[in-house]
Amino acid sequence: DTEVTQTPKHLVMGMTNKKSLKCEQHMGHRAMYWYKQKAKKPPELMFVYSYEKLSINESVPSRFSPECPNSSLLNLHLHALQPEDSALYLCASSQPERGDLGGYTFGSGTRLTVV
Amino acid sequence: GNSVTQMEGPVTLSEEAFLTINCTYTATGYPSLFWYVQYPGEGLQLLLKATKADDKGSNKGFEATYRKETTSFHLEKGSVQVSDSAVYFCALSDPYNFNKFYFGSGTKLNVKP
Repeated sequence: DTEVTQTPKHLVMGMTNKKSLKCEQHMGHRAMYWYKQKAKKPPELMFVYSYEKLSINESVPSRFSPECPNSSLLNLHLHALQPEDSALYLCASSQPERGDLGGYTFGSGTRLTVV
Repeated sequence: GNSVTQMEGPVTLSEEAFLTINCTYTATGYPSLFWYVQYPGEGLQLLLKATKADDKGSNKGFEATYRKETTSFHLEKGSVQVSDSAVYFCALSDPYNFNKFYFGSGTKLNVKP
């Protein structure tokens, strides 16, 4: 199994809603990532978890709250988002010490629209 | 600091034409270099990689050589197909933090029959 699975594929939420994005991998990778991608732009790193511990937070607003319940799962909890947060949210995984050798494996993303 | 610069797109080619997408980088230390491809509505897929100078990454007819002297990692393909139409991202890994990647702005390739 060499996939990173993200759910849901599409999400529309209001600015007062609370929702969660989910990501799952079964490749034995111990680093997992959240990226945000706006249209026609490269992915921007949000968070990195290494061995289930948050290792990088790229100054992301607190309305985004990551969680890594175990080595296979990564969640992104959303609360009080703004319309400008609408984007494609990508999850990825890699071996923590050697992400530079194998690169990332990305999921297909969740297309989020905030109304 | 670390950064990646890609040629601006879109690049429009006819089927079977030769493709070059330029990528240059700035890095402290010796990064690994990658090309990712993104098809419409999908996530990014690793296309090829090179981990040290003079390495050549190759996959599906695409090639790129890690050139330390010119700090470049240009993507080439001898004969493109319509199915190669996608956005291509050059990326490097932070030499001191393997978990941190820097992506170029992406180059959209359109291949016409």
